[in-house]
Amino acid sequence: NAGVMQNPRHLVRRRGQEARLRCSPMKGHSHVYWYRQLPEEGLKFMVYLQKENIIDESGMPKERFSAEFPKEGPSILRIQQVVRGDSAAYFCASSQRSDGYTFGSGTRLTVV
Amino acid sequence: DQQVKQNSPSLSVQEGRISILNCDYTNSMFDYFLWYKKYPAEGPTFLISISSIKDKNEDGRFTVFLNKSAKHLSLHIVPSQPGDSAVYFCAARSGGGADGLTFGKGTHLIIQP
Repeated sequence: NAGVMQNPRHLVRRRGQEARLRCSPMKGHSHVYWYRQLPEEGLKFMVYLQKENIIDESGMPKERFSAEFPKEGPSILRIQQVVRGDSAAYFCASSQRSDGYTFGSGTRLTVV
Repeated sequence: DQQVKQNSPSLSVQEGRISILNCDYTNSMFDYFLWYKKYPAEGPTFLISISSIKDKNEDGRFTVFLNKSAKHLSLHIVPSQPGDSAVYFCAARSGGGADGLTFGKGTHLIIQP
């Protein structure tokens, strides 16, 4: 039973490019959460999705960031026109019940 | 405004002794608290949790204490082992649902042999 799978593990993008981060939740989990960890900071909640629905996006920057969790396939966190300040570790978590979070290993985005 | 605070960025403890990690919160709507452990280059892993209706929860070497009046919780690890060296995050949730967690900045625990 694979855990939460995130890919790629490392992603390097030039300023202005797009970054796509993928998250496959644990089998049977229908809740997906994205978090961002900036250097020297804790994890900051970004968005909570269920299949085909965004439930809470209160932590998402208003521009350039979007997330989806389609009926089929992984959840995608998309960052358009990346800037240096987007460099961070992005973690995805999934759950089936409200207290059963499982985190992936993260994607480390570096913007050069 | 940081709603969950871990004021000690790092803590060094001798192997075999007790490790005490502290966490304070400001949001009185939080009703569920969790501790996560994180190794470098890995995602956080769930360690232990406590509901606001309790003041203590114990699981093996790990015990979490909650003082609601002080809005303070602590994680005790006894005895501390080398494998406990990691970053520990305190997290909190309100509303009882599957909402996002609010995390502290973490405390880096170093267990010295």
